[in-house]
Amino acid sequence: EAGVAQSPRYKIIEKRQSVAFWCNPISGHATLYWYQQILGQGPKLLIQFQNNGVVDDSQLPKDRFSAERLKGVDSTLKIQPAKLEDSAVYLCASSPGWTWNPSSYEQYFGPGTRLTVT
Amino acid sequence: AQSVTQPDIHITVSEGASLELRCNYSYGATPYLFWYVQSPGQGLQLLLKYFSGDTLVQGIKGFEAEFKRSQSSFNLRKPSVHWSDAAEYFCAVVPGGYGQNFVFGPGTRLSVLP
Repeated sequence: EAGVAQSPRYKIIEKRQSVAFWCNPISGHATLYWYQQILGQGPKLLIQFQNNGVVDDSQLPKDRFSAERLKGVDSTLKIQPAKLEDSAVYLCASSPGWTWNPSSYEQYFGPGTRLTVT
Repeated sequence: AQSVTQPDIHITVSEGASLELRCNYSYGATPYLFWYVQSPGQGLQLLLKYFSGDTLVQGIKGFEAEFKRSQSSFNLRKPSVHWSDAAEYFCAVVPGGYGQNFVFGPGTRLSVLP
């Protein structure tokens, strides 16, 4: 079974530029998550999709961050314009679904995209 | 404030020694509990999970964890550490069970001496 795919793996941009990250979840997984992991910290949830609908985006800085999952499969996270404090690893994860079965909470993570904003 | 804490930022152990990584949470209801490991440049890999039932859970790579309700803890243990266990370990909590999202602790970095 293929894992969660993310690209690019690394990105360096200047502040005020824009950047986009792509994620392809495990086949059949209904739920997709984007996390921001700042160096030395645990991952912080930015947005959660259930199929192509947004379930939780309460911690997404909506003035500069946007995300979409148009066909309920892969997803794109965009930052425009980037700030220095956006330097972090952006992790994508997927899980089978959001059901009463606790196993649906098992999240499978991609390798992440390391963003450096200069 | 509701949170997940991992009191040890960095732990160093010798290869073959035992290991215990601490995790505490401050949520009222019994949460779902997870331990993940992150090797350098890699994503997070699930080690083990607790939903209910037996409070001692076994995971992959020889790890186990024990849920102690009275102490609001879910400590990770391994009887004999291997050099390949050097990584960052994260405790994660789903505070109220169904319908809630993961809250990750800050992580504990494990170094293993030869």
